[in-house]
Amino acid sequence: NAGVTQTPKFQVLKTGQSMTLQCAQDMNHNSMYWYRQDPGMGLRLIYYSASEGTTDKGEVPNGYNVSRLNKREFSLRLESAAPSQTSVYFCASSGQREGTQYFGPGTRLLVL
Amino acid sequence: DAKTTQPTSMDCAEGRAANLPCNHSTISGNEYVYWYRQIHSQGPQYIIHGLKNNETNEMASLIITEDRKSSTLILPHATLRDTAVYYCIVRSQGGADGLTFGKGTHLIIQP
Repeated sequence: NAGVTQTPKFQVLKTGQSMTLQCAQDMNHNSMYWYRQDPGMGLRLIYYSASEGTTDKGEVPNGYNVSRLNKREFSLRLESAAPSQTSVYFCASSGQREGTQYFGPGTRLLVL
Repeated sequence: DAKTTQPTSMDCAEGRAANLPCNHSTISGNEYVYWYRQIHSQGPQYIIHGLKNNETNEMASLIITEDRKSSTLILPHATLRDTAVYYCIVRSQGGADGLTFGKGTHLIIQP
């Protein structure tokens, strides 16, 4: 039981490049989330998926797209990376009844 | 979700109880108090949550005042590994909404 896994762990991009961050969970959770965390700040919600087949915007969705590929996987795509997207990205999942969220180890993204 | 207020930082001696306060004066009747912590560079970790009764698990205890406007997270015997940022979050238990993180309390356990 690995919980929530994220790939890659670290990535460097040039401005304008695209990439997809991958997230998977093995807890059979309905809900999945993408957050970003900038230095010295709390996490901010980018997008979430309440259940397979649905996605909704969070607090800071601009510049990102998401795909809920199946119940296990939720990906985050940057179509044209910008330096302002340099951050640590965390994926999380939740069993809807309990409300507790379980987080992955994070992806550290540097956009030059 | 109701807003929370926490001290920016706190120190505690190793082996002593760490008591982390949180104010949530605008909490509504169906909202729970959740605590998470984030050890340097890692993903946040769930600690405990409660509605109005005090709660205890293997990690910590949660004391919620009778009027529910504030709470205290207690780590009974703090170790160096408890050094982390602790987040107090108020939200309803059900639903799929994301969590709203403030800046939390940076707890430093001193040897």
